[in-house]
Amino acid sequence: GESVGLHLPTLSVQEGDNSIINCAYSNSASDYFIWYKQESGKGPQFIIDIRSNMDKRQGQRVTVLLNKTVKHLSLQIAATQPGDSAVYFCAELHFNKFYFGSGTKLNVKP
Amino acid sequence: EAQVTQNPRYLITVTGKKLTVTCSQNMNHEYMSWYRQDPGLGLRQIYYSMNVEVTDKGDVPEGYKVSRKEKRNFPLILESPSPNQTSLYFCASRRSGPRTDTQYFGPGTRLTVL
Repeated sequence: GESVGLHLPTLSVQEGDNSIINCAYSNSASDYFIWYKQESGKGPQFIIDIRSNMDKRQGQRVTVLLNKTVKHLSLQIAATQPGDSAVYFCAELHFNKFYFGSGTKLNVKP
Repeated sequence: EAQVTQNPRYLITVTGKKLTVTCSQNMNHEYMSWYRQDPGLGLRQIYYSMNVEVTDKGDVPEGYKVSRKEKRNFPLILESPSPNQTSLYFCASRRSGPRTDTQYFGPGTRLTVL
């Protein structure tokens, strides 16, 4: 099966700092990538996505970077806030199937 | 309000007793999918459907069935539940077609099989 993994299971950052969450994917033919945020007791919530023909995409306080050469995806959160505390998942779409990483827990310290 | 709904939200049952978890979306999405979420394993896709009457297996389909008789509904059926199917289940939907789009997830169903 596919393998979408994360480098760090837990990330602690100070409020106001920038956060970077990383993800490695295994299938070079995947053409669509998504970052989700999941708060306790809730379903995953879309943050930002990127297609394989792009290297970078920016949203509000978030940026996704895609490095196809090393099959690496990252999520950057600017000026991290307490409300950003959650588990973050990357996912890839390959032939109509979605494959998710195991998640990184982001702790924001006040 | 655009949403994906699941019922029930919580269910405790016993081994072998057939159950159905319903999923409905009001966004006219073609693609619907079921996932299970277990600690340390992330979300794993059980089944997905590209459109009405079109379903296909995901990564972990064993022990599950689905049907897609209407565009808005995609029920998950456990004919004979076992304790290893104790998990948190999510339904999701998205548009299909040339413009890829993200999935929208339901609130989840926590299932316990005793």
